[in-house]
Amino acid sequence: GAVVSQHPSWVICKSGTSVKIECRSLDFQATTMFWYRQFPKQSLMLMATSNEGSKATYEQGVEKDKFLINHASLTLSTLTVTSAHPEDSSFYICSAPRWSGGEQYFGPGTRLTVT
Amino acid sequence: GQQVMQIPQYQHVQEGEDFTTYCNSSTTLSNIQWYKQRPGGHPVFLIQLVKSGEVKKQKRLTFQFGEAKKNSSLHITATQTTDVGTYFCASNSGGYQKVTFGTGTKLQVIP
Repeated sequence: GAVVSQHPSWVICKSGTSVKIECRSLDFQATTMFWYRQFPKQSLMLMATSNEGSKATYEQGVEKDKFLINHASLTLSTLTVTSAHPEDSSFYICSAPRWSGGEQYFGPGTRLTVT
Repeated sequence: GQQVMQIPQYQHVQEGEDFTTYCNSSTTLSNIQWYKQRPGGHPVFLIQLVKSGEVKKQKRLTFQFGEAKKNSSLHITATQTTDVGTYFCASNSGGYQKVTFGTGTKLQVIP
């Protein structure tokens, strides 16, 4: 099956710093990738849709300037959490579909802890 | 917007018992996908249903899409400890790209 990687798998940062998370599709090209966050014992909440060659589409309530998304190529999307605060601590997961309307292939996730 | 609720939220079963989780939407769904997330892991795709009334089976798992395409169910026969995890239903929207996840059902299997 398709493989999506994420880096780093976990990160601890100090409040006020920025953290970049990478999501790569390893064996297919993804014009669209999705970024989710998941709090403990909760479902996945879609944050934004990352579009290759154009601006990301953010879900209601998600701050564009805080969660910067860049889809640099057909295999790479990055999420930068700027000026991180403890409440940003969460599990961030990316996904990519092989084709429109198809199943999502998820990265292993990045656990962010902001101290 | 589209909201997809799942019940129950949690389920504990004895190994060998059956398990069912239900997914309900207030709007008609274009499709339904099911994912399994093991503790500490990421969601893994199980299956997709598209047609009204569709039923698909994978070994001990039976997936059903309602006639009105507003609900779906996942039934596991004779659960095993390897079935432990959280099961999510999900559906495409927004031009078939965006995927909205249900609230999830966490399954615990007692050996």
